[in-house]
Amino acid sequence: DAGVTQSPTHLIKTRGQQVTLRCSPKSGHDTVSWYQQALGQGPQFIFQYYEEEERQRGNFPDRFSGHQFPNYSSELNVNALLLGDSALYLCASSWTGYSGANVLTFGAGSRLTVL
Amino acid sequence: AQSVTQLGSHVSVSEGALVLLRCNYSSSVPPYLFWYVQYPNQGLQLLLKYTSAATLVKGINGFEAEFKKSETSFHLTKPSAHMSDAAEYFCAVGGTGYSTLTFGKGTMLLVSP
Repeated sequence: DAGVTQSPTHLIKTRGQQVTLRCSPKSGHDTVSWYQQALGQGPQFIFQYYEEEERQRGNFPDRFSGHQFPNYSSELNVNALLLGDSALYLCASSWTGYSGANVLTFGAGSRLTVL
Repeated sequence: AQSVTQLGSHVSVSEGALVLLRCNYSSSVPPYLFWYVQYPNQGLQLLLKYTSAATLVKGINGFEAEFKKSETSFHLTKPSAHMSDAAEYFCAVGGTGYSTLTFGKGTMLLVSP
């Protein structure tokens, strides 16, 4: 059973460029959340997608946008990259129909370096 | 609003010694609490979760955590550390359904021979 898969695993961009990160959720999951993990920090919630719409959003600027496709996969887009956007970007999937503790399954992440 | 505080960014133990990683939370509603582990260059793996069924929660790899409401704590323990336990550990608080998780800053566990 494939878990959460993310691509690319590593990428290097320069300031001002745009980047797209991709995520395929675990089989059976319908919700995708994105987190940013800066070096030495815990993951910070960016946004969550369900039924192809952004359902919740953390404290991130509009430069961060996303999309969810009918097959539940998702993309994270970051425009006008800043040096401070360098981080590990984690995708996590879950199933909205579960009424208990919302256990997230994480991918291995995409490490973005902005020069 | 929910928040998590992990005391100690680094904890060092000897192999075979007790592991204790501290986590305190703040939540306006009864919380669900989680411990995740992150090995180098990997994503987060769930160790255990507290869902109000029992205050002492057992997880994978011999770890367990105890929920203490009066102390708003959810400390992670393991009786005997193994070299393979060296990793970063994150405590997180969340809610039901599609609620998101709020993570602490993490504690790096170092295990020496």
